[in-house]
Amino acid sequence: DAMVIQNPRYQVTQFGKPVTLSCSQTLNHNVMYWYQQKSSQAPKLLFHYYDKDFNNEADTPDNFQSRRPNTSFCFLDIRSPGLGDAAMYLCATVAGGLNYNEQFFGPGTRLTVL
Amino acid sequence: AQKVTQAQTEISVVEKEDVTLDCVYETRDTTYYLFWYKQPPSGELVFLIRRNSFDEQNEISGRYSWNFQKSTSSFNFTITASQVVDSAVYFCALSEANFGNEKLTFGTGTRLTIIP
Repeated sequence: DAMVIQNPRYQVTQFGKPVTLSCSQTLNHNVMYWYQQKSSQAPKLLFHYYDKDFNNEADTPDNFQSRRPNTSFCFLDIRSPGLGDAAMYLCATVAGGLNYNEQFFGPGTRLTVL
Repeated sequence: AQKVTQAQTEISVVEKEDVTLDCVYETRDTTYYLFWYKQPPSGELVFLIRRNSFDEQNEISGRYSWNFQKSTSSFNFTITASQVVDSAVYFCALSEANFGNEKLTFGTGTRLTIIP
């Protein structure tokens, strides 16, 4: 049973053409994260939502935006993708609160920029 | 600042051999959490273990075991009797105990190849 779902699994876009990646979860977790993972590198946190509160990492480019219309869904918008934005994008969720819990990751969306 | 170092970029062993993946971390926090994740070729990150900084007991789960030593800031992972299905990239990660912002700092990963 899929718990963190990412669509599409593979996305091809053109240089400068806006693209949106989708993440949904069936866990009812209140915290959702977006990570960028470039080839042979560690995942790097872009931003996260704690409920509706948006938290941007200091070094996340302005080109990256996010929306969370409800608990289940979170979107990553790349306004003008560059060649350097080609990467795997991972969504993760966690039940934030008093107890520390592990993050559940989705399968990722591999973005290619032509 | 937090940092996780996985010095082994790639390891190859023959099936059924034991293999240990090293992880060294840096943090100024007194309370923190350590993790291991497995990333198979399909791409998703699979959670393996979480350990908090106050629990230095070693843990064994089937063929997997973890050795946490605060004195050397290490959290090493051993696979016993390796199998081809263990082939993956393994990430060690660290998080401060900041509820609501469980930000993970990952190491650069170790690519493990099990040779049949």
